[in-house]
Amino acid sequence: GQNIDQPTEMTATEGAIVQINCTYQTSGFNGLFWYQQHAGEAPTFLSYNVLDGLEEKGRFSSFLSRSKGYSYLLLKELQMKDSASYLCAVRDLNAGNNRKLIWGLGTSLAVNP
Amino acid sequence: ETGVTQTPRHLVMGMTNKKSLKCEQHLGHNAMYWYKQSAKKPLELMFVYSLEERVENNSVPSRFSPECPNSSHLFLHLHTLQPEDSALYLCASSQGQAGSYEQYFGPGTRLTVT
Repeated sequence: GQNIDQPTEMTATEGAIVQINCTYQTSGFNGLFWYQQHAGEAPTFLSYNVLDGLEEKGRFSSFLSRSKGYSYLLLKELQMKDSASYLCAVRDLNAGNNRKLIWGLGTSLAVNP
Repeated sequence: ETGVTQTPRHLVMGMTNKKSLKCEQHLGHNAMYWYKQSAKKPLELMFVYSLEERVENNSVPSRFSPECPNSSHLFLHLHTLQPEDSALYLCASSQGQAGSYEQYFGPGTRLTVT
């Protein structure tokens, strides 16, 4: 079956760096997405990884290791507005069809001053 | 502004009511999705439409009935709901259904069934 694990909650300090991990178990991996969701708002796309390695986009970076079934989202120079839930989602070709993303529960990040 | 709008933003309905949720995307995408988001649960995909054709129905109870009249509009018709159906209902769209095409989400409708 499919399974995605990420920590439920994390706290960090403004200006610091935080790494949010995501591990997954799928039989037909075809890409991993990170989304940010502020309370009461829509999830917004942050990053996509399908090959191993690091993708950098401003203060946010995402890493993927397909052999380990592992990804992380790295947030640098944290700002108060980064307080949000971070959702990891994996596309599994064996999950019905490749339109379907398997979602994690999300990691609620609190950035403190 | 994500380009995907949903109305209403909040809805309270009794178990015997009939209501509809509306979603509109202004991004020129050809795929649209309905998701259910409940506390302590991952996002649950309910329906997928591609080029106005329903291509996925994830064993959703028949009290939820989707409609996609064109590639820009998506509805979710609700009737005889149960209290456990209370949740945030999110609409999303994407340019394609595979690969790196990310989904753009609307702000959601917070539904409470009394």
